[in-house]
Amino acid sequence: QVQLQESGPGLVKPSETLSLSCTVSGGSISGFYWTWIRQPPGAGLEWIGCIHYSGSTNYNPSLKSRVTISVDMSKNQFSLTLNSVTAADTAVYYCARRDYNSGWFYFNSWGQGTLVTVSS
Amino acid sequence: DIQMTQSPSSLSASVGDRVTITCRASQTISTYLNWYQQRPGKAPKLLIYAAATFQIGVPSRFSGSGFGTDFTLTISSLQPEDSATYYCQQTYTTPYTFGQGTKVQIK
Repeated sequence: QVQLQESGPGLVKPSETLSLSCTVSGGSISGFYWTWIRQPPGAGLEWIGCIHYSGSTNYNPSLKSRVTISVDMSKNQFSLTLNSVTAADTAVYYCARRDYNSGWFYFNSWGQGTLVTVSS
Repeated sequence: DIQMTQSPSSLSASVGDRVTITCRASQTISTYLNWYQQRPGKAPKLLIYAAATFQIGVPSRFSGSGFGTDFTLTISSLQPEDSATYYCQQTYTTPYTFGQGTKVQIK
């Protein structure tokens, strides 16, 4: 069973860059789309974007100007960078795998989440 | 973006009660609708995809229905472990969007 684990700094200063990685174990990155989703404290879920193992990406337009998602097949990892962060970017960041069955997409494998706080 | 609206935002019910949560999409999404359960401090857990298909291992008291813009998640007999927040999500088109959540509490 595939497992995902987020890693990265838990504190980022305003205007700086948030960088997180997600390591995939128990399965290959090949063949799937990999996703970042975030959840501000006490709030709902926001889809940030996804990357195919081939490298093609799809971002939420609300974040597109600040987001980059990349994949490293050799490390079985994918990463998120978010530029020019503000307090509004404080959230638990989840990585997840987009699964596919007979034309339907869903997210059945998630990391445990990592809290990133934006503060000076 | 497709807006997903859940109701109610929260509810309190007794063990054994039948509970229904609704989710409405701002445009038709066929059956590209998933339901997740999230307990405090945990990642969301997939319950149902394609509006009505169970994920393996999900108790049979959970069921989903709907097509187009209106969907429901039903818990046929509420159990103490069902205390959680439930989210709907559309995967008809990106950006995939979630409802605001429904918090279910046990009386």
